[in-house]
Amino acid sequence: QVQLQESGPGLVKPSQTLSLTCTVSGDSISSGNHYWSWIRQPPGKGLEWIGYIYYTGNTNYNPSLKSRVTISVDTSKNQFSLKLSSVTAADTAVYYCARDIISRTGNKVWFDPWGQGALVTVSS
Amino acid sequence: SYVLTQPPSVSVAPGQTARITCGGNNIGSKGVHWYQQKPGQAPVLVVYDDSDRPSGIPERFSGSNSGNTATLTISRVEAGDEAGYYCQVWDSSSDHPVFGGGTKLTVL
Repeated sequence: QVQLQESGPGLVKPSQTLSLTCTVSGDSISSGNHYWSWIRQPPGKGLEWIGYIYYTGNTNYNPSLKSRVTISVDTSKNQFSLKLSSVTAADTAVYYCARDIISRTGNKVWFDPWGQGALVTVSS
Repeated sequence: SYVLTQPPSVSVAPGQTARITCGGNNIGSKGVHWYQQKPGQAPVLVVYDDSDRPSGIPERFSGSNSGNTATLTISRVEAGDEAGYYCQVWDSSSDHPVFGGGTKLTVL
């Protein structure tokens, strides 16, 4: 059974950098069978994809966040991480990590499973 | 960028059928995936690639996709189905996923 678990500070000051780590169990990031994504959800709002990483370190980011986002991978620990710089109150959200499932044709991607989520509040 | 439109809310009585729509330009040409999110919990995949169900998801959940509208159908609705539902596609033109705004299903 694949499980993902987010960890990191729950409170970040404005203008600082948000950092979260996702630990994967039950699957190996280095198998190369999946991409691995970060997705966030502001309180009471919908889902926003942040970006994904492949075990090689190849990344793809949401253009609206690209200038502030860095996603990295540590295959030795079976973890991937998110850094979001220059945060404001608008970055307050529950941050989820998820495994990307890619169709055989390669043109369809969905997320399963998701981590339980980590609430990060941006406040001084 | 590609936009997915969902109704903010749908209400249904127990035992009836709920239909939640997801509109997008020529969405029938894309694979649509649906997630259920209960309050305080992470989203759970309930339908993928238009109409396939992950293991463990009841047969009451089904999906269809044609033209400009995809639909998640929940038959014999139960109180436990009350949740938010999100549709999602992969936008190949921008090479990233897109989510609908979500629909809150209320069981009367």
